[in-house]
Amino acid sequence: DIQLTQSPSFLSASVGDRVTITCRASQGISSYLAWYQQKPGKVPKLLIYAASTLQSGVPSRFSGSGSGTEFTLTISSLQPEDFATYYCQQLHNYQFTFGPGTKVDIK
Amino acid sequence: EVQLVESGGGLVQPGGSLRLSCAASGFTVSTNYMNWVRQAPGRGLEWVSVIYSGGSTYYADSVKGRFTISRDISKNTLHLQMSSLKPDDTALYYCARAIGFCTSTSCRGGFDPWGQGTLVTVSS
Repeated sequence: DIQLTQSPSFLSASVGDRVTITCRASQGISSYLAWYQQKPGKVPKLLIYAASTLQSGVPSRFSGSGSGTEFTLTISSLQPEDFATYYCQQLHNYQFTFGPGTKVDIK
Repeated sequence: EVQLVESGGGLVQPGGSLRLSCAASGFTVSTNYMNWVRQAPGRGLEWVSVIYSGGSTYYADSVKGRFTISRDISKNTLHLQMSSLKPDDTALYYCARAIGFCTSTSCRGGFDPWGQGTLVTVSS
């Protein structure tokens, strides 16, 4: 089974900061990786798929990169509505597992 | 409008069974890769199961042999039959469609939309 780790698990940042979250896979997954945002009590929202493709309607301050085993989600200028938990997900090889999440909190 | 609505959650005793349903509108369940994802209270997301458009099904190791995913083409509905339930199965269960380019093993995509979820509580 493919395992995902995310770092950091918790991040404290200010509005306007550039934020980067890393997701690592236990084996190569090409670009079969997606990123989600989840706010408390809300349904997860797809941000990025195929490692770097921005989902329709998602602000351009979000971007994704990487392939193989290491991936990053970058928020270029953190906005108040971006404080949430972010999950990566691999969609390779029959099981579509999620990472443990990164909580982005207000500094 | 593309929408998913789950139902069937509730309180069940350990060892019991429950069947969840997910009604789709705005698209056809049988031509998409449909998934169940769960989230235990205060915890992260856990992928549970997928049914491919061709009918193949796959499960997380934690539910294999206990859960069965299926679909009703006439009602455009996805189901999850859960048996031998354990307290660790307590969670909010979401259904979600995979979008993007999917093959027999992988999806170059993600999950969208998601339903609002149905709560399953396993407790005596």
